[in-house]
Amino acid sequence: GAGVSQSPSNKVTEKGKDVELRCDPISGHTALYWYRQSLGQGLEFLIYFQGNSAPDKSGLPSDRFSAERTGGSVSTLTIQRTQQEDSAVYLCASSSWADRDDNEQFFGPGTRLTVL
Amino acid sequence: SQELEQSPQSLIVQEGKNLTINCTSSKTLYGLYWYKQKYGEGLIFLMMLQKGGEEKSHEKITAKLDEKKQQSSLHITASQPSHAGIYLCGADPGYALNFGKGTSLLVTP
Repeated sequence: GAGVSQSPSNKVTEKGKDVELRCDPISGHTALYWYRQSLGQGLEFLIYFQGNSAPDKSGLPSDRFSAERTGGSVSTLTIQRTQQEDSAVYLCASSSWADRDDNEQFFGPGTRLTVL
Repeated sequence: SQELEQSPQSLIVQEGKNLTINCTSSKTLYGLYWYKQKYGEGLIFLMMLQKGGEEKSHEKITAKLDEKKQQSSLHITASQPSHAGIYLCGADPGYALNFGKGTSLLVTP
């Protein structure tokens, strides 16, 4: 079946512009995660959605970052007034959360964001 | 917060050789995930370990979680070029994963 998809695959923007990154999770997965991967920093957790619960935004680095998940499916990560330090690969993952003891997360291919 | 330290940071091995990657946690691990990443392909799930002393294998890759549940190792036997990539360990604190910084593996002919 279809995996997690993300769009665009690459995004180049100018400093100060807003960007939107999209994630289509695996159908039926209730949990959705956004991570950021930058050189030297590894993978950082950004935000987590689980069903209809309020999202866990504890990983968002600043108030320029926001995310929403419409209808419990597609998610959009928005970065306002982009800065050069926002350049990174943004990864989305989803999981079924069917078994608390085995919450395998399925990752999308990522969006490579470059801020000039 | 839980910190994961991976070693080595990078590794170059000759095809056919064995290798081991380590992941050490600052706190007890209640779920340890191993992923592999290739450029442009996101992360591919390899294995998940939960119980102290647990060992799992998939093809030529074996992962173990020590009895104290603070360290895991990933062992590749008879490495092949297809094993090249970045290996990441991730700990499950209850929802999202905390990841180590990864080990970059290059397999030379």
